[in-house]
Amino acid sequence: DVKVTQSSRYLVKRTGEKVFLECVQDMDHENMFWYRQDPGLGLRLIYFSYDVKMKEKGDIPEGYSVSREKKERFSLILESASTNQTSMYLCASSPVAEWFDEQFFGPGTRLTVL
Amino acid sequence: AQRVTQPEKLLSVFKGAPVELKCNYSYSGSPELFWYVQYSRQRLQLLLRHISRESIKGFTADLNKGETSFHLKKPFAQEEDSAMYYCALRTGTSYGKLTFGQGTILTVHP
Repeated sequence: DVKVTQSSRYLVKRTGEKVFLECVQDMDHENMFWYRQDPGLGLRLIYFSYDVKMKEKGDIPEGYSVSREKKERFSLILESASTNQTSMYLCASSPVAEWFDEQFFGPGTRLTVL
Repeated sequence: AQRVTQPEKLLSVFKGAPVELKCNYSYSGSPELFWYVQYSRQRLQLLLRHISRESIKGFTADLNKGETSFHLKKPFAQEEDSAMYYCALRTGTSYGKLTFGQGTILTVHP
């Protein structure tokens, strides 16, 4: 059973703080993704990574950075948190294979920036 | 650029009634389309993919390239179908990137 875990279920931070969201998967997947989920906007891709130390920007990378030092772990970093980054953050992973097209999601981290 | 549109934010039906969740896409290449579902207090999960042409939990979805649509249908809705549904488009890259629609909250009343 694929397991994607996220370090926190709920997080409250102050404006200007540096925030780290951690995601770990246990299925040796190459691809990992960070999304934010907002009502009426759906899921929007922030960054993704297709290998260790490799990353690419998604649709809304501004204000975020990522780190992938180990294959199983993908971190999302808010360099200086702002109130408009209050959201639900979802991590996902998938293997690299043309025939395999499913992404497996973590439970999400609800971040509130005050 | 690719785009997925789900025109209904909210959809309410009664148990036993047919349900259709709409999804339209724009993409110049050959699309791969999916429906993901998120039940209350559960994580987002794949419901079905167009390429499989399968029925999952009574739901089906047909890719209509002429109308660029991938609507999700079920002839008789059940209360346990109440959830958030997302339509997603994979754009054929090896990284498996998905573009999601805005989501539709389906509520099935008893």
